[in-house]
Amino acid sequence: DIQVTQSPSSLSASVGDRVTITCQASQDISNFLNWYQQKPGKAPKVLIYDVSNLETGVPSRFSGSGSGTDFTFTIDSLQPEDVATYYCQQYDELPYTFGQGTKLGIK
Amino acid sequence: EVQLVESGGGLVTPGGSLRLSCVASGFPFSKDIMHWVRQAPGKGPEWVSYISSSSSYIYYADSVKGRFTISRDNAKNSVYLQMNSLRVDDTAVYFCAREGSPWFWGQGTLVTVSS
Repeated sequence: DIQVTQSPSSLSASVGDRVTITCQASQDISNFLNWYQQKPGKAPKVLIYDVSNLETGVPSRFSGSGSGTDFTFTIDSLQPEDVATYYCQQYDELPYTFGQGTKLGIK
Repeated sequence: EVQLVESGGGLVTPGGSLRLSCVASGFPFSKDIMHWVRQAPGKGPEWVSYISSSSSYIYYADSVKGRFTISRDNAKNSVYLQMNSLRVDDTAVYFCAREGSPWFWGQGTLVTVSS
């Protein structure tokens, strides 16, 4: 199985800060990587698909980059409504696997 | 508008069975790969099962193999998950999801396995 290592597991930053989360896959997953935002009691919401594509309606302060095994998710200017848990997901090879999650809070 | 609506969750005792349903709308369901993904309380999502557009290819996570069965009815725009021999650690919110660029998830249905 492909392991996906996400870091950090939790993060606290100030409004307006730039925030970065990383995911490392145990083997090359091409561009089959998504980033999700999840708020309590809600389903995961796709923010970035296929490494770097911004889902329709998602603010442009969210972005993704990377290739092969190393991927980065960035929030350019953190807003209070961005408090949530974020997950990466590889879907190159079954079983599809998720990162452990990053719980993002505001200082 | 793409919609996935799950149903069929509830409280069941260990060893019991449940059948989850997911009704799709707003996209050509018969052409798309569908999945079930679950999320236990306080945990991250876990992929459960995959079914190809024509049901030719079906895969399961090791944790549910031999106990869960995925199926679909393209005429009814629906995908199902038959869950047998349920265990306490199957307690989770179960989501159906459409694979694509981008993926799309339903809102989920809660399955609680408890005596």
